Amino acid sequence: DAKTTQPTSMDCAEGRAANLPCNHSTISGNEYVYWYRQIHSQGPQYIIHGLKNNETNEMASLIITEDRKSSTLILPHATLRDTAVYYCIVRIANFGNEKLTFGTGTRLTIIP
Amino acid sequence: NAGVTQTPKFQVLKTGQSMTLQCAQDMNHEYMSWYRQDPGMGLRLIHYSVGAGITDQGEVPNGYNVSRSTTEDFPLRLLSAAPSQTSVYFCASRRDFEAFFGQGTRLTVV
Repeated sequence: DAKTTQPTSMDCAEGRAANLPCNHSTISGNEYVYWYRQIHSQGPQYIIHGLKNNETNEMASLIITEDRKSSTLILPHATLRDTAVYYCIVRIANFGNEKLTFGTGTRLTIIP
Repeated sequence: NAGVTQTPKFQVLKTGQSMTLQCAQDMNHEYMSWYRQDPGMGLRLIHYSVGAGITDQGEVPNGYNVSRSTTEDFPLRLLSAAPSQTSVYFCASRRDFEAFFGQGTRLTVV
């Protein structure tokens, strides 16, 4: 699985868009980008995933650059409940290989 | 629909004791996993299963056993607890691209 690089921490004002970057310069063609978050000490929560195209769901948007070497997770209107550690994970969709490499993620703090 | 349920939430063991962490899911997912999370670190895969009767090792399997007799349950057994196994343990089940995690078991070995 490709290695990812994320900033250690970020702050964002409540109500503003939170943009979380992730570098994955060694990503291969069959690897997907996944985002999970972990609020306080709870279990991780799936947010979104993508391969090439930008993706949007009810939680967030995922923007993947054309060369796929980096991506940005966008929380459009951040709330205090979005304060969490956000993990960018790159892996192939090989059903049977269950390893999700979480790394240390980005600690996002939403400021009132 | 309870999702992934882990029991107990907290446990203190003495060195050398054995115990089983329980994990159950009601979503009929074939894929299940156990992770541990140590302070300031990401999650590390212990064992996983791709279906009833099929298990395999993750990256940190030593000191742990698993079995999968039903689709719903995936217990994790600590054979002889050591202080190095003090951690928070998470169970997960997966459907397609989305993994669902339990709320964790906080284990302390003294």
